[in-house]
Amino acid sequence: QQQVKQSPQSLIVQKGGISIINCAYENTAFDYFPWYQQFPGKGPALLIAIRPDVSEKKEGRFTISFNKSAKQFSLHIMDSQPGDSATYFCAAREAGTALIFGKGTTLSVSS
Amino acid sequence: GAGVSQSPSNKVTEKGKDVELRCDPISGHTALYWYRQSLGQGLEFLIYFQGNSAPDKSGLPSDRFSAERTGGSVSTLTIQRTQQEDSAVYLCASSLERRVLYFGPGTRLLVL
Repeated sequence: QQQVKQSPQSLIVQKGGISIINCAYENTAFDYFPWYQQFPGKGPALLIAIRPDVSEKKEGRFTISFNKSAKQFSLHIMDSQPGDSATYFCAAREAGTALIFGKGTTLSVSS
Repeated sequence: GAGVSQSPSNKVTEKGKDVELRCDPISGHTALYWYRQSLGQGLEFLIYFQGNSAPDKSGLPSDRFSAERTGGSVSTLTIQRTQQEDSAVYLCASSLERRVLYFGPGTRLLVL
């Protein structure tokens, strides 16, 4: 049973465009929703995170939008750059448990 | 300071052999996690340590997999009688009070 469903599996965006990655979940006990970024040959690193009491969080070009009623959250990358090309994972956690990750989205930003 | 380190970085073994994967967490981090990353499968949770105890080992796929942590620091993941389906990248992460996870670079395991 996949607790966090991520889409799309892969994404190609032109430089300067907006990249959007979506995640959906079922467990209403999840209380923490981070996004991790992974470059080839490296471990994932935290990019941005949100808690369910806010609907949006922005850090630079990266924004998380959170829809609690729909049980969905998304990552928006504005003005996408070739250096943003990486694999992105959404995740969720219920208090007292480990992070559950989505299957990842491979983003390629073409120059 | 130093990040999470893992060794070996790559491991090739024959089916049926045992392997040990090592993780050195960030100093002072109380929580340690093992995840497995297979192609197209995302990050699969294996086990979580708080100090030296493992309150959640629900992700270990079979009894061939075991892990321990000593001195609240180094952890070893052991896979006995390896199978080809065990081939994956094994990632270790540590955190302070279970907040942000800091991942190591992983051990790439190939079982022939």
